Amino acid sequence: DVKVTQSSRYLVKRTGEKVFLECVQDMDHENMFWYRQDPGLGLRLIYFSYDVKMKEKGDIPEGYSVSREKKERFSLILESASTNQTSMYLCASSLGTAPPLLYNEQFFGPGTRLTVL
Amino acid sequence: AQSVTQLDSQVPVFEEAPVELRCNYSSSVSVYLFWYVQYPNQGLQLLLKYLSGSTLVESINGFEAEFNKSQTSFHLRKPSVHISDTAEYFCAVSSIRGSARQLTFGSGTQLTVLP
Repeated sequence: DVKVTQSSRYLVKRTGEKVFLECVQDMDHENMFWYRQDPGLGLRLIYFSYDVKMKEKGDIPEGYSVSREKKERFSLILESASTNQTSMYLCASSLGTAPPLLYNEQFFGPGTRLTVL
Repeated sequence: AQSVTQLDSQVPVFEEAPVELRCNYSSSVSVYLFWYVQYPNQGLQLLLKYLSGSTLVESINGFEAEFNKSQTSFHLRKPSVHISDTAEYFCAVSSIRGSARQLTFGSGTQLTVLP
């Protein structure tokens, strides 16, 4: 079974702190994604990565950055956390294809609920 | 750009009653459509998907969804719900953006099954 793990289920940070959210997948997937989930808004894509050291912005990248130094690990970084970044953060991964035209299912981690005080 | 509309944010229903969760999408090209389910305190799991072929797709736990191209809809149905179906359900459409195929999600529908 594909497994996507996230480093913390719950996290509480203070405004202005630098926050790292870690995601690891064990199925050698090329693509990895970071979403935030808010009530009434569904899931919104922050960033995704289609290969090591490669990244692209999603719909709401402002205030976030990402790092992918190894294929299995994708980190989301909040450089200076703010209260409006309080949310549930979900990581997902999927196989890449060449060309990237075929659908591949995204597998999700359990989520990290981040509270910024 | 793709968009997905889930018309109902909350759907309460009694156990063993039928349910329909509505989903409409906007797209000018061929689409792949999905329903994901999120049980309390868990991540999302794929419930069912439409890629091509038969417009009626089914899941292993009794849900089904029908792709209707003329109405741009992909409604989710179950003839008889159980307490264990209580969860949040997300409709999603797949599209190519940048260098990968991505999902655009609707805002979600909370299904609550009452005893």
